[in-house]
Amino acid sequence: AIRMTQSPSSFSASIGDRVTITCRASQGISTYLAWYQQKPGKAPKLLIYAASTLQSGVPSRFSGSGSGTDFTLTISYLQSEDFATYYCQQYYSYPPMYTFGQGTKLEIK
Amino acid sequence: EVRLVESGGVVAQPGGSLRLSCVASGFTFDHYNMHWVRQAPGKGLEWVSLISWDGDSTSYEDSVKGRFTISRDNSKNSLFLQMNSLRTEDTALYYCAREVQETAAAFDYWGQGTLVTVSS
Repeated sequence: AIRMTQSPSSFSASIGDRVTITCRASQGISTYLAWYQQKPGKAPKLLIYAASTLQSGVPSRFSGSGSGTDFTLTISYLQSEDFATYYCQQYYSYPPMYTFGQGTKLEIK
Repeated sequence: EVRLVESGGVVAQPGGSLRLSCVASGFTFDHYNMHWVRQAPGKGLEWVSLISWDGDSTSYEDSVKGRFTISRDNSKNSLFLQMNSLRTEDTALYYCAREVQETAAAFDYWGQGTLVTVSS
């Protein structure tokens, strides 16, 4: 099974900061990588799919990059509403399997 | 507006059975593959199962294979998860989620979840 490892597991940042979260796959997954944001008591929200495609309605300060095994989610200018937990998720097609990273909790400094 | 509403979560005993439901609205249900994803209390997300738009193809996470069965009724815009031989480690909030149509690789809409607690 493909394992997804996010780093860091948690960190704190200030409003206005540029932050980057990393996700590494245990084997190559092309660009079959998505990013989600989850706030306490809420369902996850899709931010990015296909490694770099911004989901409709998601602010442009969010961006994704990478292919193969190494991926990043960048928030260019942190807003107060961005403090949440972020998950990466991979897709493997044969047989269809989906794996999430362990999550990265972003807290306000 | 796309809506997914789950139900059926209760407290069940180890070894017991449960059936979760998810009713969809606001989109053409039989055009989309659908999934179940779960989240144990205080833990991360775990994909559980997939069913194709027509119900002909399914896939399961290894730990639920042979115990859980995903199905759908397109005439009722409904998705189901039959859960048998329940274990304490199945305790989680279960979400139904819609697959992004342009790619199989992500989930663009989620329900609010239904809580399954397996305990003696």
